[in-house]
Amino acid sequence: DIQMTQSPSSLSASVGDRVTITCRASQSISSYLNWYQQKPGKAPKLLIYAASSLQSGVPSGFSGSGSGTDFTLTISSLQPEDFATYYCQQSYTTPRTFGQGTKLEI
Amino acid sequence: QVQLQESGPGLVKPSQTLSLTCTVSGGSISSGSYYWSWVRQPAGKGLEWIGRVYTSGSTNYNPSLESRVTISVDTSKNQFSLKLSSVTAADTAVYYCAREDRNDVGRWFDPWGQGTLVTVSS
Repeated sequence: DIQMTQSPSSLSASVGDRVTITCRASQSISSYLNWYQQKPGKAPKLLIYAASSLQSGVPSGFSGSGSGTDFTLTISSLQPEDFATYYCQQSYTTPRTFGQGTKLEI
Repeated sequence: QVQLQESGPGLVKPSQTLSLTCTVSGGSISSGSYYWSWVRQPAGKGLEWIGRVYTSGSTNYNPSLESRVTISVDTSKNQFSLKLSSVTAADTAVYYCAREDRNDVGRWFDPWGQGTLVTVSS
């Protein structure tokens, strides 16, 4: 299985901050990397697919980059509704695997 | 807009079989080149992919669960289902169904069902 490792596991930030979350794959996954946002009691929501493509309806303050084994999710200016847990996920091969999550807190 | 909804018992006894169904609305489960997946999340923990089914009936499973999992599709009902046998307390989780979409450069889960909590307890 491809292991996905996110850092940090938790992050304290303030409204207006620029935040970067990193995700590392245990082997090259090209650009088959997705990012999801999950709020308590809710299903994950797709933010970024194919490493850098913004899902329709997602604010432009979210961006993704990377290829191979190293990827980043950047939130350019934190909004109150952005405080949530973020997961990366590889879709290069099965089994699909997720990072352990990054909890973004105030 | 396609929507997914999980249904099934919220309580299952140890050693029994967990059975869930995901109903797809707003579109045909047979249209497009989609895989239909199950993902679970124990309370306070991360996401685990269980497996997927294509509309042809072909499946892929997580090796960690493969011996206990069956995922099937019923195109006439626009549904797909999950069966997990010999459950233990470790299988207690919120279970999500999701569609795996794809294009030339990627594959991703969207949309997701709202999730259903299944508790394994006697």
